[in-house]
Amino acid sequence: DAEITQSPRHKITETGRQVTLACHQTWNHNNMFWYRQDLGHGLRLIHYSYGVQDTNKGEVSDGYSVSRSNTEDLPLTLESAASSQTSVYFCASSRQNTDTQYFGPGTRLTVL
Amino acid sequence: EDQVTQSPEALRLQEGESSSLNCSYTVSGLRGLFWYRQDPGKGPEFLFTLYSAGEEKEKERLKATLTKKESFLHITAPKPEDSATYLCAVQAGGQNFVFGPGTRLSVLP
Repeated sequence: DAEITQSPRHKITETGRQVTLACHQTWNHNNMFWYRQDLGHGLRLIHYSYGVQDTNKGEVSDGYSVSRSNTEDLPLTLESAASSQTSVYFCASSRQNTDTQYFGPGTRLTVL
Repeated sequence: EDQVTQSPEALRLQEGESSSLNCSYTVSGLRGLFWYRQDPGKGPEFLFTLYSAGEEKEKERLKATLTKKESFLHITAPKPEDSATYLCAVQAGGQNFVFGPGTRLSVLP
């Protein structure tokens, strides 16, 4: 079955380290998204991509970067992790811009 | 700026006690309103999409409705397995989803 996966599921890192979270989907969806979820804020959009080589900033993009070299993957990189980036990160994908977004299982990141 | 609010923040029901969750939105040019269910430690799971005022969708004990300013998720005769956080999201002219904070539902046996 087609699916969307994230790895790792849990990550503990130290302030200042570079961290990359992986997202892989097998639906052949054009659109991929990264969100963070924090208590009191709901899901907030970090970055998104509408296709290979396309990336765009979302609402809370500072300190994060993405690259899209193929349809299946959109890795999220924290260039220099900060304690404020402790959160649960969700990847999502959709076929078209107006389509339902389907979510991965999430990555819980702790920055000490 | 597009905004989505949900109420109540938390809701406790007895098994079989029907109720409704509210999602209010202010957007310019609604393209779609989406309901998701999220269990602890998991990603949001898609439930419904509504596109225009007056539209209704049903799935088992859940029924979603849409007006020009809000959406309701009606839960009829809930069971403990319906306990979850229910998220509402809107897609407007900017195309990106804007999520509400969610309603945490607990159904007690």
